[in-house]
Amino acid sequence: KQEVTQIPAALSVPEGENLVLNCSFTDSAIYNLQWFRQDPGKGLTSLLLIQSSQREQTSGRLNASLDKSSGRSTLYIAASQPGDSATYLCAVSRISSGSARQLTFGSGTQLTVLP
Amino acid sequence: EPEVTQTPSHQVTQMGQEVILRCVPISNHLYFYWYRQILGQKVEFLVSFYNNEISEKSEIFDDQFSVERPDGSNFTLKIRSTKLEDSAMYFCATKGEGGTEAFFGQGTRLTVV
Repeated sequence: KQEVTQIPAALSVPEGENLVLNCSFTDSAIYNLQWFRQDPGKGLTSLLLIQSSQREQTSGRLNASLDKSSGRSTLYIAASQPGDSATYLCAVSRISSGSARQLTFGSGTQLTVLP
Repeated sequence: EPEVTQTPSHQVTQMGQEVILRCVPISNHLYFYWYRQILGQKVEFLVSFYNNEISEKSEIFDDQFSVERPDGSNFTLKIRSTKLEDSAMYFCATKGEGGTEAFFGQGTRLTVV
């Protein structure tokens, strides 16, 4: 059974700092990996998706990497801003005979960027 | 930008009552999912739906739960007899044919009292 772990559980940084969030998964037979942002009491906003054949994806100040063989992904946030404060979730979909490929989520990293 | 729409945003119901949560998928998306997140816990998969039938379901999705597309557009999750432990945020997600990225709605917060 796939298990997804995110470290740290919470992180507080001053504005302007670069930071890295970590995600690990136990079963490397994944189809893809998605990073989401969740604001308190709100829905999930997709940030980046990495296919299993890819090593990284970039969107603005965000860069996500994937090392499938070691079961790890990182989300790098450059020049953090108070508006980046949220919970960041990592989720993986597995290779399966069906095409639905539901997601397995980590418990998230709660990020606070201090002004 | 197309989005997944869920209604209601918040529902309070008494234990034992039936509730129906609604989702309007992104047009042309063919895969539909329900997930839930109990307060302070991980987002958990409940069920996936494709070609008008359930394709996969988790152990959480027991006989109290059902899904359907009653009019070919809305996608609903019904809980027949709610329990206190059903209190959670319920998320609908959709994905296009051949697509890989799942798009989530804003969620319905269900409170069972």
